[in-house]
Amino acid sequence: GDSVTQMEGPVTLSEEAFLTINCTYTATGYPSLFWYVQYPGEGLQLLLKATKADDKGSNKGFEATYRKETTSFHLEKGSVQVSDSAVYFCALSDPMGSQGNLIFGKGTKLSVKP
Amino acid sequence: KAGVTQTPRYLIKTRGQQVTLSCSPISGHRSVSWYQQTPGQGLQFLFEYFSETQRNKGNFPGRFSGRQFSNSRSEMNVSTLELGDSALYLCASSLEGTSGGAVEYFGPGTRLTVT
Repeated sequence: GDSVTQMEGPVTLSEEAFLTINCTYTATGYPSLFWYVQYPGEGLQLLLKATKADDKGSNKGFEATYRKETTSFHLEKGSVQVSDSAVYFCALSDPMGSQGNLIFGKGTKLSVKP
Repeated sequence: KAGVTQTPRYLIKTRGQQVTLSCSPISGHRSVSWYQQTPGQGLQFLFEYFSETQRNKGNFPGRFSGRQFSNSRSEMNVSTLELGDSALYLCASSLEGTSGGAVEYFGPGTRLTVT
């Protein structure tokens, strides 16, 4: 079945460091890909999405490119801030899949130190 | 536009009891999905309702059920609670569901603790 694998955390960075969180997927069809962020004590917020190969999603300085050839959707940010500390989830939605709407990775906890 | 709201935010129940959680979607959204989030299993899809009909279901036992009303508000029910049902239950709404890349908008969740 469909699945999402993302790098284990936690990830600890200093302010202004470069961030990469790896995400790879397996899917039956041609999925849409998402990054969601969860701040402490809150629900999930959409960070960015891409619906087809080579699409780049971007928001708040974060970017991710849908790479069909490597089945990846890595999240990057050039200069992280303390306020970026949160848990980041990679997810896919596969119209051909049978496992439900959104399939999530396990999440990567990011801590940014001043 | 108001976001997705969930009530109650926190709940403590005893093993064997049942519980009902409520979700009000964003105005105009017809799809409501429920997810369970636990430290061990992560985020898992429970079910989706669209226009009062269950459209999709995850791999959970029959103790977990839900329904949707004509105003798109949804409830989920868990009967005969077990300790392992302790989790954050998240509701998400979208216009038509996530097919085609549409976005689901999440509520803040209901934290259920079973003792």
